[in-house]
Amino acid sequence: DVVMTQTPLSLTVAPGEPASMSCRSSQSLLHGSGNNYLDWYLHKPGQSPQLLIHLGSNRASGVPDRFSGSGSGTNFTLQISRVEAEDVGSYYCMQALETPLTFGGGTKVAI
Amino acid sequence: HLQLQESGPGLVKPSETLSLTCTVSGGSMSSGDSYWDWIRQPPGKGLEWVGSTSYSGITFHSPSLDSRITMSVDTSKNHFSLRLTSVTAADTAAYYCARRLLDSQQLAYFFDSWGQGILVTVSS
Repeated sequence: DVVMTQTPLSLTVAPGEPASMSCRSSQSLLHGSGNNYLDWYLHKPGQSPQLLIHLGSNRASGVPDRFSGSGSGTNFTLQISRVEAEDVGSYYCMQALETPLTFGGGTKVAI
Repeated sequence: HLQLQESGPGLVKPSETLSLTCTVSGGSMSSGDSYWDWIRQPPGKGLEWVGSTSYSGITFHSPSLDSRITMSVDTSKNHFSLRLTSVTAADTAAYYCARRLLDSQQLAYFFDSWGQGILVTVSS
């Protein structure tokens, strides 16, 4: 199985400040298509998870442009340029290259 | 828009069978561009993929659940199901059903729709 490791476990950020979190995979997620099969999901308290970033760097429909994803191969980063109160929750990276699909342990963001 | 709703017992005794159903509304399960998945989250822990089924009944699941899991789909009723036998306290979790949709341009799947989740507790 592909092991996904996220750091840090938690972040406390002031509103308007940037935030950054990392995700590392135990094997390369770079597909022959040139895409990295790495997605980011946000799980807000009391809600279902929602897709933020698809294939490493593509913002999902309706996701604010303060969210950005980068990286390739085994190292990925999710950045929030200016954190807002509504961004609180747990952020998960997930590899979609092969089954079993595997998630990182999550980074919990608090304001 | 597509909606998913989990249903089933919230309490299951150890060694018994956990059975959940996910009812899909607002769209068809037979479109062929989707997988229908189960993801769970134990209390205080992260997300764990459980398994996946296509509309035609092709299934994939986590190897850690190998001999205990059965998934099925009934497109005529627009629902899919999860059955987990010989449960233990480690199976206590919020169970989510979700659609994994094909991005036809990039030929990659992503979770675009989720149910609200159902908490299943394994306890005597």
